[in-house]
Amino acid sequence: SQQGEEDPQALSIQEGENATMNCSYKTSINNLQWYRQNSGRGLVHLILIRSNEREKHSGRLRVTLDTSKKSSSLLITASRAADTASYFCATDARYGNKLVFGAGTILRVKS
Amino acid sequence: GAVVSQHPSWVICKSGTSVKIECRSLDFQATTMFWYRQFPKQSLMLMATSNEGSKATYEQGVEKDKFLINHASLTLSTLTVTSAHPEDSSFYICSGWGLAPNEQFFGPGTRLTVL
Repeated sequence: SQQGEEDPQALSIQEGENATMNCSYKTSINNLQWYRQNSGRGLVHLILIRSNEREKHSGRLRVTLDTSKKSSSLLITASRAADTASYFCATDARYGNKLVFGAGTILRVKS
Repeated sequence: GAVVSQHPSWVICKSGTSVKIECRSLDFQATTMFWYRQFPKQSLMLMATSNEGSKATYEQGVEKDKFLINHASLTLSTLTVTSAHPEDSSFYICSGWGLAPNEQFFGPGTRLTVL
């Protein structure tokens, strides 16, 4: 399969709660990126973490990367209704610029 | 970040017709452009990779004679869905990658509906 796996497939939380999404991948990588996609729209780049980094923050986002387990997590703190979207991780192979996307997590934040 | 545009943003066509989708990098030179397809509630699947001036490389299972890709310049790639059928209805997204910036930027997508 081209894709990695993400869990959960769907997540429903109340506004103000934290949301955690996980992503696993299969091959060695240069970088791992997280994207957001609102329904029927294009991708919005959220954050990139390099293979030699373990944790990265950007505003309310916190990304971790464990290359030994080939996994990453995205934490959104103090969620808002506007965070409702699908979230995808994407990895690029050690050589080349192709991105392989995870299956995605559908996040719904209820106000 | 750099901008990639797609045209049209949506298209409805009859079965058997061909549809062309344009992908343009507006403020950078895209040495490589990628075409993805996304079915409802699914993730993006890479269809093909095209480098400016050379033939596209298709992923396994993607028919190169059905999905014609042209990357004639550093700012324009086109995807032509030939003899489209209802099962080709999908969201098609392109992205461009260039040396400067060394990053991949995504277009807003084109929704194709084949009746």
